[in-house]
Amino acid sequence: DAEITQSPRHKITETGRQVTLACHQTWNHNNMFWYRQDLGHGLRLIHYSYGVHDTNKGEVSDGYSVSRSNTEDLPLTLESAASSQTSVYFCASSESRPGATTEAFFGQGTRLTVV
Amino acid sequence: SQQGEEDPQALSIQEGENATMNCSYKTSINNLQWYRQNSGRGLVHLILIRSNEREKHSGRLRVTLDTSKKSSSLLITASRAADTASYFCATVLANSGYALNFGKGTSLLVTP
Repeated sequence: DAEITQSPRHKITETGRQVTLACHQTWNHNNMFWYRQDLGHGLRLIHYSYGVHDTNKGEVSDGYSVSRSNTEDLPLTLESAASSQTSVYFCASSESRPGATTEAFFGQGTRLTVV
Repeated sequence: SQQGEEDPQALSIQEGENATMNCSYKTSINNLQWYRQNSGRGLVHLILIRSNEREKHSGRLRVTLDTSKKSSSLLITASRAADTASYFCATVLANSGYALNFGKGTSLLVTP
């Protein structure tokens, strides 16, 4: 069965370190997204990609970057981790069809703690 | 800023009762979707309603959309303890690709 997986599931890192969160999907979806979820804020869009070599900034992109070198993966990098980036991060993917928007499939999330 | 806002923030009911959650949004949309999130898990898609639709059903779920009021409601009939979860509405903005904009969610507790 197709799936979307995130790794690691839990991560503790120190302030100032570079951290990369992995996201891998086997749906063969063109669209991939990264969200962060914080109490009181719901899910907020960090970055997204609509295809290989395409990346776009979302609502809360400062301090984060992504790259899309293939269809399956969209790693999220925190250039210099800050305590404000302590959060639960979700990756999602969806199919792109002209004129229609389909459901998004979510990974299980990565809980990141910056100390 | 977030597009959608759910109401209420928290809802507690007993098994067998109906649960109604509301979502308001700010700008024109292509479609509106509802997702469920169980504690510690990822989000799962429940139902999608397009901007030209007014009502949609899926099993015990009923979704309505009023584009003139920029609002939607999710009704879960005959709730079960397994329905305990957070529920989020998400909108896809008109002429804005495929990115979903989520509200802050409604936390539903269904007690036996």
